[in-house]
Amino acid sequence: DQQVKQNSPSLSVQEGRISILNCDYTNSMFDYFLWYKKYPAEGPTFLISISSIKDKNEDGRFTVFLNKSAKHLSLHIVPSQPGDSAVYFCAALGGTSYGKLTFGQGTILTVHP
Amino acid sequence: DARVTQTPRHKVTEMGQEVTMRCQPILGHNTVFWYRQTMMQGLELLAYFRNRAPLDDSGMPKDRFSAEMPDATLATLKIQPSEPRDSAVYFCASGSTYEQYFGPGTRLTVT
Repeated sequence: DQQVKQNSPSLSVQEGRISILNCDYTNSMFDYFLWYKKYPAEGPTFLISISSIKDKNEDGRFTVFLNKSAKHLSLHIVPSQPGDSAVYFCAALGGTSYGKLTFGQGTILTVHP
Repeated sequence: DARVTQTPRHKVTEMGQEVTMRCQPILGHNTVFWYRQTMMQGLELLAYFRNRAPLDDSGMPKDRFSAEMPDATLATLKIQPSEPRDSAVYFCASGSTYEQYFGPGTRLTVT
């Protein structure tokens, strides 16, 4: 039962263009969402988050959008840089899963120079 | 520069052997998480502790996995006996629910 889904295993983008990573969830009790970034041979690192009371949160080149009615969130990276090439995980918190992050499977982003 | 440390970084073992993975959380963090990353499932939470007490280990196969925190500076994850399907990267994280800091992981291969 995959409550958080990242349906695109990989994404390839040209440097300078926008990267859009998508995430869908099924549990309506989730009320906080996070994106983590992971480089090879390292652990995931926190990137950006959003509470369910908002529909947008921005931090520099990174913006997360939340559409609660569609149970969908997306991470936009503008402009994309080669150093952004990594695996991006979407994660969710809330409801009976209090204290536990539920992660998606991850999307491999490759930014070409 | 505080960070979560994990040992060993790599472990290759034969099926049936015991495996112990260790984690040193960031000093002052009272919540410790164990995750497993596989290609099929992504990142799965196995267990987590708060103030050294286990809060949830529902993600762990109980018959072969065990997690403990002997003290505030050490968390352990044991697999006995190990099986090839346990091959994965195991991450420890510490912090709070909303802000987790991950270690570099232990890559386990069971042959």
